[in-house]
Amino acid sequence: GESVGLHLPTLSVQEGDNSIINCAYSNSASDYFIWYKQESGKGPQFIIDIRSNMDKRQGQRVTVLLNKTVKHLSLQIAATQPGDSAVYFCAEMTGFQKLVFGTGTRLLVSP
Amino acid sequence: DAGVTQSPTHLIKTRGQHVTLRCSPISGHKSVSWYQQVLGQGPQFIFQYYEKEERGRGNFPDRFSARQFPNYSSELNVNALLLGDSALYLCASSGTTSEGGHSTDTQYFGPGTRLTVL
Repeated sequence: GESVGLHLPTLSVQEGDNSIINCAYSNSASDYFIWYKQESGKGPQFIIDIRSNMDKRQGQRVTVLLNKTVKHLSLQIAATQPGDSAVYFCAEMTGFQKLVFGTGTRLLVSP
Repeated sequence: DAGVTQSPTHLIKTRGQHVTLRCSPISGHKSVSWYQQVLGQGPQFIFQYYEKEERGRGNFPDRFSARQFPNYSSELNVNALLLGDSALYLCASSGTTSEGGHSTDTQYFGPGTRLTVL
């Protein structure tokens, strides 16, 4: 879950397509995971969360999948819209409420 | 409903100065966490406070300190500022909302304070 430098991975999609953003987490003891959306100049915005006793959770247009075997999370966004353009972070939580953020993926949606 | 609020929005300081950043959590939330986000990276955990007690501290020097008040608002203080302290400082609060929806672990972030050290 360590973040890296300035060059974020970028996913470019067309409006209406489905988007899948992937994340590898670091701590097998983590029991709670959150996806955040961050627009330029703003704080991270909660999207969806999942606990380690689940492998899938659905929200409005979003689905989170958790694979504990390979320590992998994914965020699926259905019918992606231009307003979905942002940087997306996964975060893991272990023990007390310390979030460890992943690398971040920039999602670009073209009309 | 008001979310997490932070002040000031932007701040410019010079090396060696100190700074105080403020945060008001979502009404009903008793836990506040602070994060530092350097440009191009994910947020890094600095502190967590719950019921005015420090519950956790990240890998930051002693120049960073914080406190939480009886009304659950919080301050982050940074002394002897360095150029490398330039970042977006984020506050997050957690706790069961009045709607009784999400887990008490869910952290909701404020808009952040952009600190520039010259």
